[in-house]
Amino acid sequence: DAKTTQPPSMDCAEGRAANLPCNHSTISGNEYVYWYRQIHSQGPQYIIHGLKNNETNEMASLIITEDRKSSTLILPHATLRDTAVYYCNWGKLQFGAGTQVVVTP
Amino acid sequence: NAGVTQTPKFRILKIGQSMTLQCTQDMNHNYMYWYRQDPGMGLKLIYYSVGAGITDKGEVPNGYNVSRSTTEDFPLRLELAAPSQTSVYFCASSYGTGGYYTFGSGTRLTVV
Repeated sequence: DAKTTQPPSMDCAEGRAANLPCNHSTISGNEYVYWYRQIHSQGPQYIIHGLKNNETNEMASLIITEDRKSSTLILPHATLRDTAVYYCNWGKLQFGAGTQVVVTP
Repeated sequence: NAGVTQTPKFRILKIGQSMTLQCTQDMNHNYMYWYRQDPGMGLKLIYYSVGAGITDKGEVPNGYNVSRSTTEDFPLRLELAAPSQTSVYFCASSYGTGGYYTFGSGTRLTVV
């Protein structure tokens, strides 16, 4: 059972960094952590993934703890368009409830 | 490259009617999935497939059927629609176990 735990909601001021935590303490050693976001009622969109090293792309950065039991998605300069539900996921198949992020002016 | 295409985008069904939600992908992904999302809730897996001819149940398969005759297509069938099946349905695909999901734009289904 690929369980993840995320806070249900988070507010962030526009222009500030948003740090979204995810607990995945039961992750197995060879499973990647994936992050997605869902804007309004659109299909979820892939953001980033990682195994054990920190990762960065044009959308976000991903920090994975050394024991791999948790990770943090960082949106470095949040914009109003980043308002969405963010899901972390491992082992595919199952998704948790995600974190509703609201970026305010 | 269209990605994952779902049709129709919206549909209203009467109780007891049947329909097929279509899903096709052009990325040559071998894994495909169907999820449903109720208002304000997360994604629940209905069925998934790891390749043509192979399907398996997810956590909420009751009332649904799937088939996977080709790599590209993964239709979801509702035989006897019930109000509890009112939801938004998302199809997704991935390249094996190491690839991220690509989702379709969803089908919004209302059963009245």
